Amino acid sequence: AQKITQTQPGMFVQEKEAVTLDCTYDTSDQSYGLFWYKQPSSGEMIFLIYQGSYDEQNATEGRYSLNFQKARKSANLVISASQLGDSAMYFCAMREGRYSSASKIIFGSGTRLSIRP
Amino acid sequence: DTGVSQNPRHKITKRGQNVTFRCDPISEHNRLYWYRQTLGQGPEFLTYFQNEAQLEKSRLLSDRFSAERPKGSFSTLEIQRTEQGDSAMYLCASSSLTEGARETQYFGPGTRLLVL
Repeated sequence: AQKITQTQPGMFVQEKEAVTLDCTYDTSDQSYGLFWYKQPSSGEMIFLIYQGSYDEQNATEGRYSLNFQKARKSANLVISASQLGDSAMYFCAMREGRYSSASKIIFGSGTRLSIRP
Repeated sequence: DTGVSQNPRHKITKRGQNVTFRCDPISEHNRLYWYRQTLGQGPEFLTYFQNEAQLEKSRLLSDRFSAERPKGSFSTLEIQRTEQGDSAMYLCASSSLTEGARETQYFGPGTRLLVL
């Protein structure tokens, strides 16, 4: 069964607009972590933001925020005031279980974001 | 630069040849991971080490693949008798248990393998 679902293969957004990238996940664990990574054309996976399943507040990192809706099992990434340099593939990922015993990350299939000038 | 480094960045080989990739993690990170990414897909987990111990291997890691982390620092991933289906980006990541529940994997630039 697919654990991470990203339903938007590609998105086009005008520069300076906000954009929301969708992510839903499936797990029976109570303890898990959710991540978003950015992968530019160079190939490197760049960590953006983390949300723990027990975190009461939505995570924020600069222009990135994570809209975490636990009951709906969604963890959407919001990028405010998009910039040309935001054009890249974006991956949602999940780590199941307690960090001490289970560390592999499961990735979604990604969303290609293109920012129009 | 104190990030994760990988060498080589690109490798072209002929089918049947052996290849070896190296990953140097962030200094003092005790966990090291290998992932494989094919075109248009997200990375898929291959294996991971905690210090020098290999704790988990994916079914994707056939007997032609072997990974080592002999001194708990750098790691190597070797593919023997390469096949065209091995063509992919091989990503290495590292993390630290000291981050606790917020443990985050930081990735290297990857090694892009093309098997002809």
